[in-house]
Amino acid sequence: QKEVEQNSGPLSVPEGAIASLNCTYSDRGSQSFFWYRQYSGKSPELIMSIYSNGDKEDGRFTAQLNKASQYVSLLIRDSQPSDSATYLCARFFRGYNKLIFGAGTRLAVHP
Amino acid sequence: DVKVTQSSRYLVKRTGEKVFLECVQDMDHENMFWYRQDPGLGLRLIYFSYDVKMKEKGDIPEGYSVSREKKERFSLILESASTNQTSMYLCASSTTGTSLNEQYFGPGTRLTVT
Repeated sequence: QKEVEQNSGPLSVPEGAIASLNCTYSDRGSQSFFWYRQYSGKSPELIMSIYSNGDKEDGRFTAQLNKASQYVSLLIRDSQPSDSATYLCARFFRGYNKLIFGAGTRLAVHP
Repeated sequence: DVKVTQSSRYLVKRTGEKVFLECVQDMDHENMFWYRQDPGLGLRLIYFSYDVKMKEKGDIPEGYSVSREKKERFSLILESASTNQTSMYLCASSTTGTSLNEQYFGPGTRLTVT
């Protein structure tokens, strides 16, 4: 059983819409969660981290964490074609000092 | 800004060669990581290190070794390269301080073994 699950997509949204990316995890002890953006052929870039239940906003990005339901989401408002990328969700594996990554969701924003 | 650099963006090696991939970070991070990324398989952790001269096996350590002689530098070694080690190799670093384990990646090395 994968520890971090993401829908592989592609998730296709029109320019200007809200893109909603979701991630579920299996370890109730997870405390820290991260969203990375990865453009094709490039390395992952950290865009958001979230540690507490609720929402965390940074510009057009909002991360949402619900520990009771074991999911974390990333909302991208006013989506732009430049947001087209693969988005990786990760959780911190306490005790082993490493991140567990999901396989990623490919987002396509079309004009 | 965190800066993680890798010695090569593209590398072509022959089967059986010994390959060194170098990673350097300039943020005084304690932790450093080596991943490989393959289509359909996602990011897989090869080795990591949380201190100088310390190393821990990740999920797929077979065929690889690492070296961390200085805090800022973490090397991945392919003792005898094989074609199934053709992949994108990514180095990352993090601190266990206030950043709470955020990992920052280098640009990656695309290795082809022929």
